[in-house]
Amino acid sequence: GESVGLHLPTLSVQEGDNSIINCAYSNSASDYFIWYKQESGKGPQFIIDIRSNMDKRQGQRVTVLLNKTVKHLSLQIAATQPGDSAVYFCAENSGGGADGLTFGKGTHLIIQP
Amino acid sequence: DAGVIQSPRHEVTEMGQEVTLRCKPISGHNSLFWYRQTMMRGLELLIYFNNNVPIDDSGMPEDRFSAKMPNASFSTLKIQPSEPRDSAVYFCASSLRRQQETQYFGPGTRLLVL
Repeated sequence: GESVGLHLPTLSVQEGDNSIINCAYSNSASDYFIWYKQESGKGPQFIIDIRSNMDKRQGQRVTVLLNKTVKHLSLQIAATQPGDSAVYFCAENSGGGADGLTFGKGTHLIIQP
Repeated sequence: DAGVIQSPRHEVTEMGQEVTLRCKPISGHNSLFWYRQTMMRGLELLIYFNNNVPIDDSGMPEDRFSAKMPNASFSTLKIQPSEPRDSAVYFCASSLRRQQETQYFGPGTRLLVL
């Protein structure tokens, strides 16, 4: 889940298991959300996005769920692989003229062999 | 297709020196964003451009920071004079349009100011 401060929350799962990463976003006016994956030494890489008129979207091995009532976003990764080990960020765009993304602090996902 | 290109990838400089970071967005993208990433503050938006025009620079920390986009395929972020607290990874990202669009990030420039 989200963290405030210096320490990233860590989620450790066994290879092949499913993982769920949670994010509590801040702005109730946000209407577009993205999940990014960041591997060590690299820039954030787009995984999947969802607009506020949807509550679920699926990609390849990934599913994003949006609960606007409680301002909660989650990323589900099915059948995790070693290459899924990374830091995952949720980002929100509040629209209304604010074009940049506001990023969460990130969750460190570790895939155990 | 080439993604967002940033240079240099690594920069080590001494306090007081001028630093210039460069970015080439994805061809055809109309919006360009500069972010800074630190352990303390995570990813923060510094400034963004739409059609080469700066739209919002409220994230730029101080007057020591400036950014330009002279054309659709090139942007610079300059720090003058640099300070040790500017040490961070600086990312450039681009998107097709301003809002509700996926932003694609470059590999970043890791800056260390001694």
